[in-house]
Amino acid sequence: GDSVTQMEGPVTLSEEAFLTINCTYTATGYPSLFWYVQYPGEGLQLLLKATKADDKGSNKGFEATYRKETTSFHLEKGSVQVSDSAVYFCALTEGGNTPLVFGKGTRLSVIA
Amino acid sequence: DVKVTQSSRYLVKRTGEKVFLECVQDMDHENMFWYRQDPGLGLRLIYFSYDVKMKEKGDIPEGYSVSREKKERFSLILESASTNQTSMYLCATARGGRTDTQYFGPGTRLTVL
Repeated sequence: GDSVTQMEGPVTLSEEAFLTINCTYTATGYPSLFWYVQYPGEGLQLLLKATKADDKGSNKGFEATYRKETTSFHLEKGSVQVSDSAVYFCALTEGGNTPLVFGKGTRLSVIA
Repeated sequence: DVKVTQSSRYLVKRTGEKVFLECVQDMDHENMFWYRQDPGLGLRLIYFSYDVKMKEKGDIPEGYSVSREKKERFSLILESASTNQTSMYLCATARGGRTDTQYFGPGTRLTVL
């Protein structure tokens, strides 16, 4: 079945550091790929998505590119802020009525 | 703005009690989902529904049931709560389709004593 593997955390960075959170996937078809973020005490919210190969999703300074050849969707941000501290989830779906498949999440802590 | 509400943010129940967790959405979405979130395990799908009165088992349905009598409401039921069901429960909705976003409620933290 489909699966998502993302790097284990926690990740601790200083403010203004460069962030990469790795995500790779296994899927039988052509999935859509998502990054969700969960701030402390809240539910998940969509951060960005990409629906076909070579698409780049971007939002709030975060970016991820759908790489079919490496089955990857790594999340990057050039300069993190304390307010980016959260848990980040990579996910995929093959659509129709199939649910999202989530990675286990990566906790990011940004210190001033 | 999509709004997904869950009946409680925090809930404490005793072993053996019947527990109802309710989720309500205001966006006329067809698909609704229940997940549980545990440290180190991420989100795991319990049940989902793609239409009124329809339900599908997810990855971990044992010990749970669901009800969807109206499109906007999806209930998760723990028939006889056990301590290993202590967890964060998250409801989500989506219109459906390959590219569609799921919208999450704030979660219910359930503790079973």
